[in-house]
Amino acid sequence: DTEVTQTPKHLVMGMTNKKSLKCEQHMGHRAMYWYKQKAKKPPELMFVYSYEKLSINESVPSRFSPECPNSSLLNLHLHALQPEDSALYLCASSQGGTEYNEQFFGPGTRLTVL
Amino acid sequence: AQSVTQLDSQVPVFEEAPVELRCNYSSSVSVYLFWYVQYPNQGLQLLLKYLSGSTLVKGINGFEAEFNKSQTSFHLRKPSVHISDTAEYFCAVSFGGTSYGKLTFGQGTILTVHP
Repeated sequence: DTEVTQTPKHLVMGMTNKKSLKCEQHMGHRAMYWYKQKAKKPPELMFVYSYEKLSINESVPSRFSPECPNSSLLNLHLHALQPEDSALYLCASSQGGTEYNEQFFGPGTRLTVL
Repeated sequence: AQSVTQLDSQVPVFEEAPVELRCNYSSSVSVYLFWYVQYPNQGLQLLLKYLSGSTLVKGINGFEAEFNKSQTSFHLRKPSVHISDTAEYFCAVSFGGTSYGKLTFGQGTILTVHP
């Protein structure tokens, strides 16, 4: 299995809602990533988990809360988002999280905040 | 400073024509280079990568790229494109010593193949 899966595909939420994005991989990878991608822009790194520990937080607002329950799962909890948070949220994983390990991306969750 | 530049934001070509998408980087440390493709409303798919060794690397879907250290470039080429190659292409670099494989992406090049 060489896939990263993400659910849901689409999500519409109000500014007062709480929702979660889910990412799963079964490749035995030990690093997992969350990216945010706005239209016509490259992905921007948000968080990195390495061996289930939060290793990088790119100064992301606290309304985004990542969680790594085990080595295969990565969640992103959303609360009190703003309309400007509407974007494609991509999850990725890599074998060891080193500079030479390629990252495998999931299909993304298209988030719309009303 | 470490950076990645994709010189063309849009490249239109006709079907069966050759194409080159340009990528340059700036770095004082070692680099690991990747090209990703993104079809509309999808995630990124790895086309090819350069880690070490032969500077000409071949990838999926008939694409290839050449690492040129002296010109700090990693241009992507395909000798004959198809309509299905229409997509956005991102060059990405992992700089030596970077924590956790953090990627620096170029701004992307939208390739549009016309019939």
